[in-house]
Amino acid sequence: EIVLTQSPATVSLSPGERVTLSCRASQGVGNHLAWYQQRPGQVPRLVIYDASKRATDVPARFSGGGSGTDFSLAISSLEPEDFAVYYCQQCNTWPPTYSFGQGTKLE
Amino acid sequence: QVQLVQSGVEMKRPGASVMVSCQASGYVFHDFGITWVRQAPGQGLEWMGWISPYTHNTRYPRTFQGRVSLTADTATATVYMQLGSLGSDDTAVYFCARVSKTGGTYALDFWGQGSLVIVSS
Repeated sequence: EIVLTQSPATVSLSPGERVTLSCRASQGVGNHLAWYQQRPGQVPRLVIYDASKRATDVPARFSGGGSGTDFSLAISSLEPEDFAVYYCQQCNTWPPTYSFGQGTKLE
Repeated sequence: QVQLVQSGVEMKRPGASVMVSCQASGYVFHDFGITWVRQAPGQGLEWMGWISPYTHNTRYPRTFQGRVSLTADTATATVYMQLGSLGSDDTAVYFCARVSKTGGTYALDFWGQGSLVIVSS
């Protein structure tokens, strides 16, 4: 089983600042990594897939990077609606098996 | 538009089973896999299983093997998740999500609204 470890657990910033979140996989997953945003009381929303591709309607201030075992999600200039929990997810097999990171809270 | 509509709140006793439904609309049902994910109160996301509505093939993580079962009814475009031998630590919101065919990550591009399952004596 591939374990995803996210860091930091919590990050405190202000609107307009830049943030970079990290996700490390216990073994290589190529570029088969996604990021989700979950605002309080809401359903998770896909933000990034294939490590660096923005999902539909995701603003350009979100960018993903990395491959193999080390990945990042950057938000260039935080908007109030970006404050949420972010999860990374990997799936590099067929039939698919998934694992999620434990989440990073952006407050 | 793509929608996944889940069944409502369930309250169960320890040891019982629960079935949650997820009805899809707005796309060709059997063309996309469905994954189930749960979230305990204040906790992260946990994968529970995957089903192909076309082949009815399933895949489950070891932690849920033998306790969870996914089925698909193509006539009603509905996927069902049954979880047995419930314990208090199964209290959670259960989500179904569609598996995207864009890219190689099999990301989850549309989600149901979530179904709260409460296990209590």
